[in-house]
Amino acid sequence: GENVEQHPSTLSVQEGDSAVIKCTYSDSASNYFPWYKQELGKRPQLIIDIRSNVGEKKDQRIAVTLNKTAKHFSLHITETQPEDSAVYFCAASIARGNEKLTFGTGTRLTIIP
Amino acid sequence: AAGVIQSPRHLIKEKRETATLKCYPIPRHDTVYWYQQGPGQDPQFLISFYEKMQSDKGSIPDRFSAQQFSDYHSELNMSSLELGDSALYFCASSSTVGLSRMHNEQFFGPGTRLTVL
Repeated sequence: GENVEQHPSTLSVQEGDSAVIKCTYSDSASNYFPWYKQELGKRPQLIIDIRSNVGEKKDQRIAVTLNKTAKHFSLHITETQPEDSAVYFCAASIARGNEKLTFGTGTRLTIIP
Repeated sequence: AAGVIQSPRHLIKEKRETATLKCYPIPRHDTVYWYQQGPGQDPQFLISFYEKMQSDKGSIPDRFSAQQFSDYHSELNMSSLELGDSALYFCASSSTVGLSRMHNEQFFGPGTRLTVL
């Protein structure tokens, strides 16, 4: 089955700086890669996703890049703000419409004011 | 817009008791997923249903069972509860119709926090 690795497990950055979180996956059939933000005790919330026919996607301060050959994808957050502090999970899935998500182990991001 | 509804939000049980968690997916979503998230861990897939039929099974203990009903709501039944079952249980739903099919975007409910004493 799919295995998703995520690094780093914790990340602290100064407010206004950029944060990068990296994930690798093992199943070459995976073609849908969402990123979720989770605050303590709350539900995971989708912040951005990318499909395998796209190399990069951007939404305001958030961008995701995908390297299908290397089975590697990354989340980039620019101009970080205190409200970006949360746990971020990457995930992988085969987008046939009803496939489970396999999550990475999460990155606790702390923005230092 | 309507979201995924889960009940109860909090549940406290003793060891060896049973628990039933309920999930009401977003209207017209045909797939329901259950995930378990232990403290400090990532969500782990338990089981999913598509059009009321089990579609995939993950690391779900034999003590757990689930089903999806004719109104598309789903229930996760947990018996002989153990201390290690204490976790957040999330239900998510998605649609295989239209644009959503190509994205498999899963919408998560608020979760049920189960505490086993």
